[in-house]
Amino acid sequence: KNEVEQSPQNLTAQEGEFITINCSYSVGISALHWLQQHPGGGIVSLFMLSSGKKKHGRLIATINIQEKHSSLHITASHPRDSAVYICAVRTEYGNKLVFGAGTILRVKS
Amino acid sequence: NAGVMQNPRHLVRRRGQEARLRCSPMKGHSHVYWYRQLPEEGLKFMVYLQKENIIDESGMPKERFSAEFPKEGPSILRIQQVVRGDSAAYFCASSPPLAVNTEAFFGQGTRLTVV
Repeated sequence: KNEVEQSPQNLTAQEGEFITINCSYSVGISALHWLQQHPGGGIVSLFMLSSGKKKHGRLIATINIQEKHSSLHITASHPRDSAVYICAVRTEYGNKLVFGAGTILRVKS
Repeated sequence: NAGVMQNPRHLVRRRGQEARLRCSPMKGHSHVYWYRQLPEEGLKFMVYLQKENIIDESGMPKERFSAEFPKEGPSILRIQQVVRGDSAAYFCASSPPLAVNTEAFFGQGTRLTVV
């Protein structure tokens, strides 16, 4: 079993829809990151969370430390949101990141 | 303030050749991490370096792969005698010293193709 599990693997949405991507982890962490990667592109950090909730524009990220679960929400989705969204955790005992497999999001107009 | 710079962006090597991937961390950052993304797979940790020191190389293949981060100049990930299975995107990330929880700053990646 992977230490970081994401769901769904693939997600197709219609423009304007509210989107949720989930991430569960099984290890102790010091922080959780949500990352975005466009096809053939680099990796961009969206959020770093250690508790609670953060919002940036149409993106919202939440984390529940007790349940070892985080969600990334996109409100009013747009085709330019189409990308791979990756959950990654920084473990308690090291500085390296452990990644989920990613969620491939496609938003259709 | 330039971000994490990787070069080259794309690298093609024939089987048996050597590949050298470079990473210049963000200004003020002295910690570098290398990650590999194999086709259709997620990102995997390879190695964590500070200036002149390898801190954690638990993700490095036992043979043909090495990494360094000299006092001066970029960090180098070196792959000797490349094979087709080395074809992947290699990403570098950097962080400042004494940082436990810090944003993840990634480079654009080097896409290695072995032909």
